[in-house]
Amino acid sequence: GAVVSQHPSRVICKSGTSVKIECRSLDFQATTMFWYRQFPKQSLMLMATSNEGSKATYEQGVEKDKFLINHASLTLSTLTVTSAHPEDSSFYICSAREPGELAGYGYTFGSGTRLTVV
Amino acid sequence: GQNIDQPTEMTATEGAIVQINCTYQTSGFNGLFWYQQHAGEAPTFLSYNVLDGLEEKGRFSSFLSRSKGYSYLLLKELQMKDSASYLCAVRDNSGGYQKVTFGTGTKLQVIP
Repeated sequence: GAVVSQHPSRVICKSGTSVKIECRSLDFQATTMFWYRQFPKQSLMLMATSNEGSKATYEQGVEKDKFLINHASLTLSTLTVTSAHPEDSSFYICSAREPGELAGYGYTFGSGTRLTVV
Repeated sequence: GQNIDQPTEMTATEGAIVQINCTYQTSGFNGLFWYQQHAGEAPTFLSYNVLDGLEEKGRFSSFLSRSKGYSYLLLKELQMKDSASYLCAVRDNSGGYQKVTFGTGTKLQVIP
């Protein structure tokens, strides 16, 4: 089946620094990837939809200048948390849609990145 | 926007059957997913419904009624390892682009 690789799995950074998270589709091309954030004991909240070769579409309330998304190729999307603050500490997960007619059967998720800002 | 509702928590006994309900409101419905998520891990795909009716996959079945904005996930012959959160997610085409939005999730505890 489709595999999405996400790195790093855990990162601790100082307040005010930036952190880049990578999401790669390993065995398929993903024109669209999604970025989610999940706080403890809560569900996944969609942050933005990343489209290859174009600007990301951000959900209401998500600061596009703080959460920079780049989808420069069909297999790689990156999320950069800029000027991170402790309240940005969360579990960030990407997902990619599997190609094909039966694409409804697949939104494969990466393993997630646990970000802790100290 | 979307409004996706699920019960917050459920408890069921090993070997039994449990039904997890999900109701949704959306203007551009294009499919409903169920995912399983163990604590600290990424969600894993369980099922997908886009037409009305029941989809069965082994111990898991999922039902959809588009007119009622309703779905359920049915888990049979419960096992202890089924203790996890179950997330209902709706794909939506409104707004000119496709996106998948998750409900709040149902934390299922299976007890002996």
